[in-house]
Amino acid sequence: DAGVIQSPRHEVTEMGQEVTLRCKPISGHDYLFWYRQTMMRGLELLIYFNNNVPIDDSGMPEDRFSAKMPNASFSTLKIQPSEPRDSAVYFCASNTFDREATGELFFGEGSRLTVL
Amino acid sequence: GENVEQHPSTLSVQEGDSAVIKCTYSDSASNYFPWYKQELGKRPQLIIDIRSNVGEKKDQRIAVTLNKTAKHFSLHITETQPEDSAVYFCAALTGANNLFFGTGTRLTVIP
Repeated sequence: DAGVIQSPRHEVTEMGQEVTLRCKPISGHDYLFWYRQTMMRGLELLIYFNNNVPIDDSGMPEDRFSAKMPNASFSTLKIQPSEPRDSAVYFCASNTFDREATGELFFGEGSRLTVL
Repeated sequence: GENVEQHPSTLSVQEGDSAVIKCTYSDSASNYFPWYKQELGKRPQLIIDIRSNVGEKKDQRIAVTLNKTAKHFSLHITETQPEDSAVYFCAALTGANNLFFGTGTRLTVIP
């Protein structure tokens, strides 16, 4: 497996624009997580899915953020409208957490977002 | 919900010395405690983990200890090398399979 795949790797946009980040989890993993990383706040959990269903979105900053997982192999994180304070690295991660699994989260390479 | 606190936020050691990073958690139902290493510009990667039925685990120069009663766990790196320089995150997995991370420790190993 190629691991968790995220796109784009880098995005620079202007304030007010819509941003869509994409993630393909590892095949067979039924948990998918979106994290945001900044120097000030470290790694923050935004939302996670189990079997494509959002379980906990309490970390989503506000209504400008939304996430979907239409199927087991694809998820999106959307920011509309974007603001400069949204600038961060956004990581997607997946796992299965079944009895045979180690519990390890497998992270993608991250999407570095800069909002001007 | 779970709250994971990590100390120190930065740590500098001389090459060859030991480094210790400590974390506390609040949810007594948490049962899995991984440590991740993140090098500059890269993704976090698991380096060692421990489950709640074990008190200590060692892998070469890295060891982790867990005190469930006190709700704290620690990462120990012995004989540090320059390539150990990175940001280290502790985490705790709740019963709901939600992984909460500490705020990270930036370790610098001085040659």
